[in-house]
Amino acid sequence: DVKVTQSSRYLVKRTGEKVFLECVQDMDHENMFWYRQDPGLGLRLIYFSYDVKMKEKGDIPEGYSVSREKKERFSLILESASTNQTSMYLCASSRGLEAFFGQGTRLTVV
Amino acid sequence: SQQGEEDPQALSIQEGENATMNCSYKTSINNLQWYRQNSGRGLVHLILIRSNEREKHSGRLRVTLDTSKKSSSLLITASRAADTASYFCATDAKAAGNKLTFGGGTRVLVKP
Repeated sequence: DVKVTQSSRYLVKRTGEKVFLECVQDMDHENMFWYRQDPGLGLRLIYFSYDVKMKEKGDIPEGYSVSREKKERFSLILESASTNQTSMYLCASSRGLEAFFGQGTRLTVV
Repeated sequence: SQQGEEDPQALSIQEGENATMNCSYKTSINNLQWYRQNSGRGLVHLILIRSNEREKHSGRLRVTLDTSKKSSSLLITASRAADTASYFCATDAKAAGNKLTFGGGTRVLVKP
């Protein structure tokens, strides 16, 4: 079974902190994605990557950056956390069309 | 922007009844998928239907696709309490750079 693991289930950070969300997949998938999920807005794509060291902006990249130094790991970075970045963050990976999701990280910025 | 919009936003049914939810989208698509999310968890893939297909079945799930109306429906037959979850449609389209775009989801409550 494909496993996508996010480093934390719950995270509380202070405004202005630099925050790292880590995601690791164990199936050698080329594609990895970061989404945020907010009530009534569904999942919105922040960034995605089709290969190592390659990244592309999604629909809402402002305030975020990403890093993909190894194929299995895709990190989401909040350069200076703000309260409007309080959300559920979901990482996913895929080779073809079907996406496999991690369990999510609920981030609260206070 | 959301490509898929689910309807209804929420659905409450008794165990054993069927649950139907719909998804509408704006631009031509390559494929449409349905995912389930249990409370506070990640999404799990349920079924994929290609743009040249009209209907697909998987166990108690039936998906239809009407490309002329840009809509899809997901039917869960003989629902169980364990089907309580949120259900999302997701599309990939050339116009969106072949990225997966999700709708807002339908929350389904199956009462025992």
